[in-house]
Amino acid sequence: KAGVTQTPRYLIKTRGQQVTLSCSPISGHRSVSWYQQTPGQGLQFLFEYFSETQRNKGNFPGRFSGRQFSNSRSEMNVSTLELGDSALYLCASSLGAGGGTEAFFGQGTRLTVV
Amino acid sequence: AQRVTQPEKLLSVFKGAPVELKCNYSYSGSPELFWYVQYSRQRLQLLLRHISRESIKGFTADLNKGETSFHLKKPFAQEEDSAMYYCALQGGTSYGKLTFGQGTILTVHP
Repeated sequence: KAGVTQTPRYLIKTRGQQVTLSCSPISGHRSVSWYQQTPGQGLQFLFEYFSETQRNKGNFPGRFSGRQFSNSRSEMNVSTLELGDSALYLCASSLGAGGGTEAFFGQGTRLTVV
Repeated sequence: AQRVTQPEKLLSVFKGAPVELKCNYSYSGSPELFWYVQYSRQRLQLLLRHISRESIKGFTADLNKGETSFHLKKPFAQEEDSAMYYCALQGGTSYGKLTFGQGTILTVHP
């Protein structure tokens, strides 16, 4: 079956702009999580959506938001971009129910803010 | 609060030598622990999870609740084991949330 797909793969934006990233989960997966990966902070959890509802949220400012559609596809939006938002953004999907569930990751979207 | 610590950023061993990647965690309840691996130019993928008690590619990991550790071990390292390894924790009913350690880059020399 197809894996987790993230689009676009690369983005270059200017400070102050906003950006939307997309994630298509594995068919049948109802949970989509987003992570920010940077060399200094490593992998940090942004938020998770399950059945169109935000179920978990990390410690990121309100400029970071997301949503999930009825087909489980998810989007992440960052408004008023800052240089420090430059990172690899990873999306992961899972069945979302029960502990020990495997998360399947996408290839990521590389965002560069100039 | 939950935290995962991987004390070694870099670990180098020779082929055939034993390898141990350390992972310590902080969590007040009963966590689910995972090891994820990222090979060069590949996406992050699950290596193993403590709930399955399985051995994958010769790797094993035992959850030690007393020491709050989940170290990853392999008795004989292979060159293809060279990768970035992340220890991750899932707490309570936060099924979709993983807390990752900073990662350890393992290099296995021929």
